[in-house]
Amino acid sequence: DQQVKQNSPSLSVQEGRISILNCDYTNSMFDYFLWYKKYPAEGPTFLISISSIKDKNEDGRFTVFLNKSAKHLSLHIVPSQPGDSAVYFCAASGTGSARQLTFGSGTQLTVLP
Amino acid sequence: DGGITQSPKYLFRKEGQNVTLSCEQNLNHDAMYWYRQDPGQGLRLIYYSQIVNDFQKGDIAEGYSVSREKKESFPLTVTSAQKNPTAFYLCASSIDGQLGGGYTFGSGTRLTVV
Repeated sequence: DQQVKQNSPSLSVQEGRISILNCDYTNSMFDYFLWYKKYPAEGPTFLISISSIKDKNEDGRFTVFLNKSAKHLSLHIVPSQPGDSAVYFCAASGTGSARQLTFGSGTQLTVLP
Repeated sequence: DGGITQSPKYLFRKEGQNVTLSCEQNLNHDAMYWYRQDPGQGLRLIYYSQIVNDFQKGDIAEGYSVSREKKESFPLTVTSAQKNPTAFYLCASSIDGQLGGGYTFGSGTRLTVV
């Protein structure tokens, strides 16, 4: 049973437009959420995170939104750049048995020039 | 520069052989993790260790073994019991394993069974 789901395996966006990547979770014990970016044959790198006490966190072109009631978070990239093309993983953790990071299956973002 | 080093980058194994993947970190992190990535799937946790000489099974530990004799090192052995070992393996570490904060990842080892 996937506790963190990224239902879109791929997304294509024109350069300069907004990219919106979505993630849903099922475990109510999750209280900390992260986005990672991964290039082929490399390890993921941390991008941005949000705690459940917030509903928005912004870092430059990247903003993460959290909707706790819907158990949904999204990553917005504005404006999108060709260098943003990568696989984006959503991850979640919490307390007790949920304290290890649980990852989604990833979304391949392609930003077209 | 601090970081996590995984070696080798590419590894080929014959069926029936055990093989060990190396993971070393100089970040002074307490917790270390091994994940496996398959095409179209997320990162699945194999084993993790929050302290030296202690480790726990993750979601897909069957066919794998680990040791944590030193804080800096967390090698993963893929045994012949692992039915489908061809995958991309990622090692990670974190300051505090219990809070599930951001992990630092190595660059990965691609294992291919020939």
